[in-house]
Amino acid sequence: QKEVEQNSGPLSVPEGAIASLNCTYSDRGSQSFFWYRQYSGKSPELIMSIYSNGDKEDGRFTAQLNKASQYVSLLIRDSQPSDSATYLCAVNANTGGFKTIFGAGTRLFVKA
Amino acid sequence: DAMVIQNPRYQVTQFGKPVTLSCSQTLNHNVMYWYQQKSSQAPKLLFHYYDKDFNNEADTPDNFQSRRPNTSFCFLDIRSPGLGDAAMYLCATSGGGSAFFGQGTRLTVV
Repeated sequence: QKEVEQNSGPLSVPEGAIASLNCTYSDRGSQSFFWYRQYSGKSPELIMSIYSNGDKEDGRFTAQLNKASQYVSLLIRDSQPSDSATYLCAVNANTGGFKTIFGAGTRLFVKA
Repeated sequence: DAMVIQNPRYQVTQFGKPVTLSCSQTLNHNVMYWYQQKSSQAPKLLFHYYDKDFNNEADTPDNFQSRRPNTSFCFLDIRSPGLGDAAMYLCATSGGGSAFFGQGTRLTVV
């Protein structure tokens, strides 16, 4: 079983719609959870971090965490063509010195 | 601005010729990471440092080595690059939370 799993997509949504991205993780000791956006040929950039169960909202982005189900999600409201990218879920187990493991990413296409 | 800087941005090396990639940070973060990312794949953690404590991933080939002479700098040495080592190499730092990435070094092996 992979440590962090994501649906590779591609996920295609029309402009203005809600995009929903999902992630599951295997290590119950995981403490910190992140969503990164990566444009083609560029390095990942942090969008959201979440550390406790529930929802966290930041502008058009909402991260949701359910530790019992080992599940993290990212909702993007009012999706824009500029949101088209690969979204990487990352998990930090705080073991062995803050090891951060990434999922393979979900490719999102927002159609104008 | 505080940042993570990788040099060079693009590196071409010959098959079997040792190559070193460098990373520097002005964030004063304890943790530094090296990731390898191939096309359409997840960034794969090669190693990370917590201060001077080195943590090697079990599946990182012996061909890859790393040095962290001080808080600010970290190096990735590939002793004998093979064609399969062509990838984007990402350096990142963390103060205990999220990771901040450099721009990456695109390595080509010819």
